[in-house]
Amino acid sequence: DAGVIQSPRHEVTEMGQEVTLRCKPISGHDYLFWYRQTMMRGLELLIYFNNNVPIDDSGMPEDRFSAKMPNASFSTLKIQPSEPRDSAVYFCASCGPSSYNEQFFGPGTRLTVL
Amino acid sequence: ILNVEQSPQSLHVQEGDSTNFTCSFPSSNFYALHWYRWETAKSPEALFVMTLNGDEKKKGRISATLNTKEGYSYLYIKGSQPEDSATYLCAFDSSNTGKLIFGQGTTLQVKP
Repeated sequence: DAGVIQSPRHEVTEMGQEVTLRCKPISGHDYLFWYRQTMMRGLELLIYFNNNVPIDDSGMPEDRFSAKMPNASFSTLKIQPSEPRDSAVYFCASCGPSSYNEQFFGPGTRLTVL
Repeated sequence: ILNVEQSPQSLHVQEGDSTNFTCSFPSSNFYALHWYRWETAKSPEALFVMTLNGDEKKKGRISATLNTKEGYSYLYIKGSQPEDSATYLCAFDSSNTGKLIFGQGTTLQVKP
């Protein structure tokens, strides 16, 4: 298996633009997580899905952030409009039903909002 | 609110030193405790999943112990090498919710 795939790996955009981050979980995994890494807060959980259904979105910072999982092999995290304070590394992770919830992380997307 | 605390926050050791760090977590509703290794500019990688009180896991020079009754886990590195330099995260899973509560990590720097 290729592991969790994220795209793009790097994104530089201007304030006010829409940003879409993409994630493909490991095949067969039924949980998908979106995290944000910042210097101030470390690794923050933004939202997670189970069987494509959002379970907990309490970590989503504000209405500018939205996430979808239209099918078991694809999820997006969208920021609209983006702001400089959204600059961070965004990780996607997935886990399967028989691994004590061991999460496998993607390589991350480094987002810079100018 | 579930709290996972790790100490120390950072650690600098010389090559060859042995070291250990602590992860504290709630002692109720325990399902599993995870350790991850996170190198700079990379993504976290799973080291261990620990599920039973008294569990001990080992991978090369790295080992971990678990005490669910008192709510702590230790991670040990024997004979630290520069390539061990990373942030070590622990994560607590209560009642099989799927959601892991991560600590802030211990950042280890091993000097040659």
